[in-house]
This record gives sequence, structure tokens and C-alpha cells, in this order.
Amino acid sequence: AQKITQTQPGMFVQEKEAVTLDCTYDTSDPSYGLFWYKQPSSGEMIFLIYQGSYDQQNATEGRYSLNFQKARKSANLVISASQLGDSAMYFCAMRARDSSYKLIFGSGTRLLVRP
Amino acid sequence: KAGVTQTPRYLIKTRGQQVTLSCSPISGHRSVSWYQQTPGQGLQFLFEYFSETQRNKGNFPGRFSGRQFSNSRSEMNVSTLELGDSALYLCASSLGGTSGGDQETQYFGPGTRLLVL
Repeated sequence: AQKITQTQPGMFVQEKEAVTLDCTYDTSDPSYGLFWYKQPSSGEMIFLIYQGSYDQQNATEGRYSLNFQKARKSANLVISASQLGDSAMYFCAMRARDSSYKLIFGSGTRLLVRP
Repeated sequence: KAGVTQTPRYLIKTRGQQVTLSCSPISGHRSVSWYQQTPGQGLQFLFEYFSETQRNKGNFPGRFSGRQFSNSRSEMNVSTLELGDSALYLCASSLGGTSGGDQETQYFGPGTRLLVL
């Protein structure tokens, strides 16, 4: 069965530093999509970045990049130059054919950026 | 382009009542998915509608139902509310494809916070 694992319940980072949020996944399907979302205290889930299983290069979106290591089944999110507004919950998610394309979420990582 | 909207934003009900939540997707999106988020269970998939048909369903009891209209707007209904139904209900829309990238990416609304007393 598909599974997303986020092993860091909470993390701190100093403002302007980079931080890596871990995500490992499990699927037997060769075709899948990996997503990262940010959820501030307001509750809305904000899409950050997408990585397809067949993409040759790591995805990047502004200060966000995804460190995709297919053989290790990991899809870590890297946030560069952290800002106070980055304090939020971060969720890794996966969508694959073998789960009928349902979006499966990890348990999330709470990031706190210190000034 | 306007984002996903959900109404109402907050709702208080008592056990045994029923509730209907509404979701308007991003213009042009044909897929709407619903999720329940609780501190104990995290984010759980409820169901997905695509072109007015339920395309996918999670492991929730039949008290949870939904529908989608021809304009892609969707409603979710919960009958005979239980205390455990207190949660943040999130709706997400997408183009509905499965070929990756923008075709698959789901964009979420602000959610409806339901409290059952």
C-alpha cells in the first residue's frame, strides 16, 4: 500500500538559513507524482512544488526545491533563505495509479523560523 | 484567476443534525476532491468528483456523501453528525488529468471548520 512518511514532527530554523524537510514514500507504481504543501495556521493548504516520477531534474520553484532521490524513495523539500512567514505545517503528498490517484498525505512537519 | 472557495468557513452543529458544505473550484477545473483533517487522523481523503461523477472514494461511512454540479461546483453532506466529525474539511480542485504536472496538481480552498457539540 502507498505510504508517505515524514519523520520530523517539528523543526526550527534561523531566519535566512536553509532548511530541509524530509519525506520518504512507498509505492510499487512506476508512475507517480509527489507534492509539497504548506499549511499556515489559517488552515488553507498552499501548493508549493511538484515532482513527477519520470522527471529527470529536481523541481524548483523560487526558494523551494525538491531533492528527489528515486532509488531511495525520498523527496525532501529544501527551503532556502528562510523567512518568518515560512513558519507553518508542511505536508508531503503522493498520487499514483495504484491508489486510484488519491492524494495520500504524510503526517506533516511543523516548521518554526526564528528571527 | 479566482481560487477555490468554500462556504461556510465556520459551522457549529449538534449531534444528530446534518450539514452541507459547498465548494467552488477554480474556473476550468473539472475535478473536486474533499478531505477531512483532524489532529488525530491527519488528512484523509473523502471522495473525488470529476464531470459530475464520483471517480474515487475514501474509507468513510455512508453518512458522508457528495455531489458535483454541471458547473463543477461540489457539495458535501454529512448526515447524523457525530462528535468525531468535528474537523477541518478541505476541498481541492484540479484539471483532473493524470499525466502529471498541472494536470494533477490539486489547489485547496480555505476549508470549513465544523464543530459538532
